[in-house]
Amino acid sequence: SQQGEEDPQALSIQEGENATMNCSYKTSINNLQWYRQNSGRGLVHLILIRSNEREKHSGRLRVTLDTSKKSSSLLITASRAADTASYFCATGGGADGLTFGKGTHLIIQP
Amino acid sequence: GAGVSQTPSNKVTEKGKYVELRCDPISGHTALYWYRQSLGQGPEFLIYFQGTGAADDSGLPNDRFFAVRPEGSVSTLKIQRTERGDSAVYLCASSQAGHGNTEAFFGQGTRLTVV
Repeated sequence: SQQGEEDPQALSIQEGENATMNCSYKTSINNLQWYRQNSGRGLVHLILIRSNEREKHSGRLRVTLDTSKKSSSLLITASRAADTASYFCATGGGADGLTFGKGTHLIIQP
Repeated sequence: GAGVSQTPSNKVTEKGKYVELRCDPISGHTALYWYRQSLGQGPEFLIYFQGTGAADDSGLPNDRFFAVRPEGSVSTLKIQRTERGDSAVYLCASSQAGHGNTEAFFGQGTRLTVV
């Protein structure tokens, strides 16, 4: 079953604009992770935010977490064509693995 | 190698055949996971190994699916009597500990097509 749900399912913006993706989840968490996937193959870890953190930055990425609303957002600033990919949030990760949402497909138009 | 390696990258097989998918994790990573990803969906957990033992195989869809990791490194996912519904990308991921608190390193996956 899929715990996280990303919103929107698809997003198309112009290069240089900011892209915001949201994720909602159902159960309590210890942390939440964001991954990127190019061309439907391997996933690349972007950032992990712990349940006691509200915001985290990594380069052009900014992640927020609101445990009271069971939601997280991923902001990519100054988008580039190379940011075109699918983005997934994931929770869990213990013995029963990570639980992913369906992802947001981001297209950056040059 | 520098990352998780999965072979083959693509596999086409006939319905009813047996297939094996291989995963070479990052050296020293004790945790190894298999996931399956259908088109338009996120990856779904299949099985978790900690060392040589399958710590959790609750995600395997049925008894046609089996995975081994005999020496605590390379893992093989085995599917018997393949069905068209088994068509998907099978992803392997490894990490130094469970994925709960550390980043998971994914391979490029094996795209399995059952015709």
